[in-house]
Amino acid sequence: SAVISQKPSRDICQRGTSLTIQCQVDSQVTMMFWYRQQPGQSLTLIATANQGSEATYESGFVIDKFPISRPNLTFSTLTVSNMSPEDSSIYLCSVDTGGPSEQFFGPGTRLTVL
Amino acid sequence: GEDVEQSLFLSVREGDSSVINCTYTDSSSTYLYWYKQEPGAGLQLLTYIFSNMDMKQDQRLTVLLNKKDKHLSLRIADTQTGDSAIYFCAETSDFRGANNLFFGTGTRLTVIP
Repeated sequence: SAVISQKPSRDICQRGTSLTIQCQVDSQVTMMFWYRQQPGQSLTLIATANQGSEATYESGFVIDKFPISRPNLTFSTLTVSNMSPEDSSIYLCSVDTGGPSEQFFGPGTRLTVL
Repeated sequence: GEDVEQSLFLSVREGDSSVINCTYTDSSSTYLYWYKQEPGAGLQLLTYIFSNMDMKQDQRLTVLLNKKDKHLSLRIADTQTGDSAIYFCAETSDFRGANNLFFGTGTRLTVIP
């Protein structure tokens, strides 16, 4: 398994600002992912954070809105840019430890945009 | 596109068994997962099953997979108040990329003391 921490755990932000969420893993992992869980909804994959190259975004998500960094094998950031109330969600970092397709999730960052 | 469906709510009495059901549409599903989300916490991987299996047991948890009907269930024996949480079914497929999990809407399990 992997121990994953996220910062901040929650934040309340103003419309038009940006927030960067950090994800730290206690061991080196190849695959890191960012998910969004909108209120009362299930989880949706935003992108795969690739170490040393640009993130791979899922349909409906773009780099300008959700820039991602992955400087090494234990850390990634997700920025939510030019926020609007529709961006209010829980954002979760996830890692794949390379076991039999096991994905582990961080505690999430609860974002509220006013 | 893919669809994963779950009932939204389930209430059981402490000590009874809970059965949480999930249906999916992706016939190329490779792995199917159950995650638990407690209030204010991230998702905890409970168990998973490979698509060529029909049952997996792990202590109080039993996963049943009916691949023909694309139906997955999670049985929790002797349900405790600490089992109260939201349970997400998720699936992935080699076709879509083994790491692209597709989640159901979650079932909120309430355990009544």
